[in-house]
Amino acid sequence: NAGVMQNPRHLVRRRGQEARLRCSPMKGHSHVYWYRQLPEEGLKFMVYLQKENIIDESGMPKERFSAEFPKEGPSILRIQQVVRGDSAAYFCASSLMAGTGGEQYFGPGTRLTVT
Amino acid sequence: QQPVQSPQAVILREGEDAVINCSSSKALYSVHWYRQKHGEAPVFLMILLKGGEQKGHDKISASFNEKKQQSSLYLTASQLSYSGTYFCGTQTPIDNSGAGSYQLTFGKGTKLSVIP
Repeated sequence: NAGVMQNPRHLVRRRGQEARLRCSPMKGHSHVYWYRQLPEEGLKFMVYLQKENIIDESGMPKERFSAEFPKEGPSILRIQQVVRGDSAAYFCASSLMAGTGGEQYFGPGTRLTVT
Repeated sequence: QQPVQSPQAVILREGEDAVINCSSSKALYSVHWYRQKHGEAPVFLMILLKGGEQKGHDKISASFNEKKQQSSLYLTASQLSYSGTYFCGTQTPIDNSGAGSYQLTFGKGTKLSVIP
């Protein structure tokens, strides 16, 4: 039983480039969540997606950030024209259920460094 | 609204006990507890769904007081492997989602260090 997969694990981008982060949920899970974590801080919610739908993007910056979860393939978090402040660990989680019983399982994260 | 965790950090000797508290200003529908070791992903510990619910997992247990809008995580006879940052997450419904969907909001974490 493979867990949540994320790639790449480490990503270095220069200012102005694009970053694409991928997340494959656990088998059978159709709910995907993206979080951002700065060093020594908690996890900040960004976006919640179900297959082909964005359910809640209230934590996503309005500009440069977008997310998708297509019918086939992994969920992708895309950051355009990256800036130094985007440097962080980005975690993806998946759950089987959407309700209050929906425990979330996290992937290993992608550590983005913007130079 | 981000839940508030206390204490922010605690140092224990092996075998000692600790309590980590999590409180919210909003009504809680469930509380999730996770542990994260440095440089790793958060690992799910347990979820409490109902007021008054208590759960245990090895020597780690938790309680959920719905009326007080708070939860506590209890670590007894701590082991070196318990070291890490503990996060509580509280679920609140997503407005207009129409699907009974909830957003999980995490506290800032409690850093626990267990020393020999």
